[in-house]
Amino acid sequence: KAGVTQTPRYLIKTRGQQVTLSCSPISGHRSVSWYQQTPGQGLQFLFEYFSETQRNKGNFPGRFSGRQFSNSRSEMNVSTLELGDSALYLCASSFAGPTEAFFGQGTRLTVV
Amino acid sequence: GESVGLHLPTLSVQEGDNSIINCAYSNSASDYFIWYKQESGKGPQFIIDIRSNMDKRQGQRVTVLLNKTVKHLSLQIAATQPGDSAVYFCAENMRGSQGNLIFGKGTKLSVKP
Repeated sequence: KAGVTQTPRYLIKTRGQQVTLSCSPISGHRSVSWYQQTPGQGLQFLFEYFSETQRNKGNFPGRFSGRQFSNSRSEMNVSTLELGDSALYLCASSFAGPTEAFFGQGTRLTVV
Repeated sequence: GESVGLHLPTLSVQEGDNSIINCAYSNSASDYFIWYKQESGKGPQFIIDIRSNMDKRQGQRVTVLLNKTVKHLSLQIAATQPGDSAVYFCAENMRGSQGNLIFGKGTKLSVKP
């Protein structure tokens, strides 16, 4: 059974640009959550989607957005990138959230 | 490597010894808890979970203990191996808060061969 797949693994973007990250959950999982991991703040919750609906949102600015498709795959978008957005972005999937949430390898975003 | 914190508490143990990693959680309304292991360059790996109606749960070489009175969680690893070296996170979920795991800062476990 394939695990959670995140693409791309690495990204370098310039301030002011926007970026889209993708997450394919484990087959059968309908909940996808996104987290930002930085050395200073640790792992912080961004948002969670279930059956194409955002059910929960963390304390991040509106520049961070996401969506989920009918096949449960999810994307997150960050617009008007800032240097402070440099981080490891992780997604986690579970059947119904958050029990037994399994993480992908993450996308390492560097903003220069 | 993975950047998971510059000033993480560190636990150093000898190979073969038992390890105990502690975590204080923040919210008395939390009813579900997970332990994750994160190795350098990888995403967090699920280890074991426990619900608030239990105070102990065992897995393969791991045991999680939950003390709701003092809001404390611990992970015990038996016969620690070099492959157990990683950063360990506890995470809590508040009742009714779907998909929102609140993570602790993490503890770095270093196993000496």
